[in-house]
Amino acid sequence: GNSVTQMEGPVTLSEEAFLTINCTYTATGYPSLFWYVQYPGEGLQLLLKATKADDKGSNKGFEATYRKETTSFHLEKGSVQVSDSAVYFCALSRNTGGFKTIFGAGTRLFVKA
Amino acid sequence: DAGVIQSPRHEVTEMGQEVTLRCKPISGHDYLFWYRQTMMRGLELLIYFNNNVPIDDSGMPEDRFSAKMPNASFSTLKIQPSEPRDSAVYFCASRLRAGPVNTEAFFGQGTRLTVV
Repeated sequence: GNSVTQMEGPVTLSEEAFLTINCTYTATGYPSLFWYVQYPGEGLQLLLKATKADDKGSNKGFEATYRKETTSFHLEKGSVQVSDSAVYFCALSRNTGGFKTIFGAGTRLFVKA
Repeated sequence: DAGVIQSPRHEVTEMGQEVTLRCKPISGHDYLFWYRQTMMRGLELLIYFNNNVPIDDSGMPEDRFSAKMPNASFSTLKIQPSEPRDSAVYFCASRLRAGPVNTEAFFGQGTRLTVV
């Protein structure tokens, strides 16, 4: 079946540090991949996405590259800010054979000033 | 567009009472999802609809849970009777099937349910 595995948190970093949150997936066919962010007390918001192999999604300084050979979609940011503190979810969905979005467990990020 | 709208934002109820959560999806979206989020289990998909028809309800935990979508702009999730272990944040999301570039789901702000 389809599944998403992401690194456990929490991740604690100092401001301006480099961030990597690992995500790997299992899926049949060619899924689209996403990173969502959830700020305290809010719903999930799409952060970035990639719809085919080798695509790079980017937004607000965050990047992730769709690697089919390693079935990965790791999230990176070169210099984190306190305002990036949130929970990050890796997810996949397909446009054939079922349309539900499958989420990883989420990784909580704390950024210290 | 105002996005996915859920109501109420917060609900506190006593054990045994009926609870109804409401969702208005983004206009034109043909998929609607109900999720539950807890610290223990993370984000769980409860049920989803396509064109108002339930497609997969395998995530609904018990018969106490039911969901309806009477039209394209409204859905409800009902818990009857409610129990303390139902306390969670319930999210509604909608999505448009329009090819590979429009596959993300848009989430509402959630309803925080507390059953005492």
